[in-house]
Amino acid sequence: AQTVTQSQPEMSVQEAETVTLSCTYDTSESDYYLFWYKQPPSRQMILVIRQEAYKQQNATENRFSVNFQKAAKSFSLKISDSQLGDAAMYFCAYRRGSQGNLIFGKGTKLSVKP
Amino acid sequence: NAGVTQTPKFRVLKTGQSMTLLCAQDMNHEYMYWYRQDPGMGLRLIHYSVGEGTTAKGEVPDGYNVSRLKKQNFLLGLESAAPSQTSVYFCASSYRGTGETEAFFGQGTRLTVV
Repeated sequence: AQTVTQSQPEMSVQEAETVTLSCTYDTSESDYYLFWYKQPPSRQMILVIRQEAYKQQNATENRFSVNFQKAAKSFSLKISDSQLGDAAMYFCAYRRGSQGNLIFGKGTKLSVKP
Repeated sequence: NAGVTQTPKFRVLKTGQSMTLLCAQDMNHEYMYWYRQDPGMGLRLIHYSVGEGTTAKGEVPDGYNVSRLKKQNFLLGLESAAPSQTSVYFCASSYRGTGETEAFFGQGTRLTVV
């Protein structure tokens, strides 16, 4: 069975600094997709970034980028120039193929200090 | 577009009572999901549906039933609520096909069973 592990229950970063959230996953599949979701205090789940396993190039969305290490089964999220609005729970998620369900890690709570 | 809408947003039940959570999506998505979110546990899949008239069990299905009579609606039922079912429930939907397609989430339902 596939599993997703987020080893950092809580992280803290100074405003304008950079922080990296870790995620590892376990799978024997070759076709899969990885996601980072943000959950602010409003409880809404917001997609931050996605990565297709077959793509070697790391995905980037503005201040958010990933370091996808397929052989190591690692998928970390880097947030640059952190802003107060980045404070939230961040969930790493895995989907097997085009029809699999999303499997979530337990989340990392990110605090941003002014 | 409303996206994914959950009803109700909050509910308090007494042990043994029953209730139904309604999820509606207006994006013509084939796939729909019910997750529960508990502190430190991430999101865990309860049941899901890959199309109208079909349902399947997820990771934590016990104590819940679901129905998908119409493509746009996915109902989650608790026949006899227990305190262990106190949680935040999320409905999500997605297109069938390309795995990179994100899942869209409702705003969540906070359920307390006393």
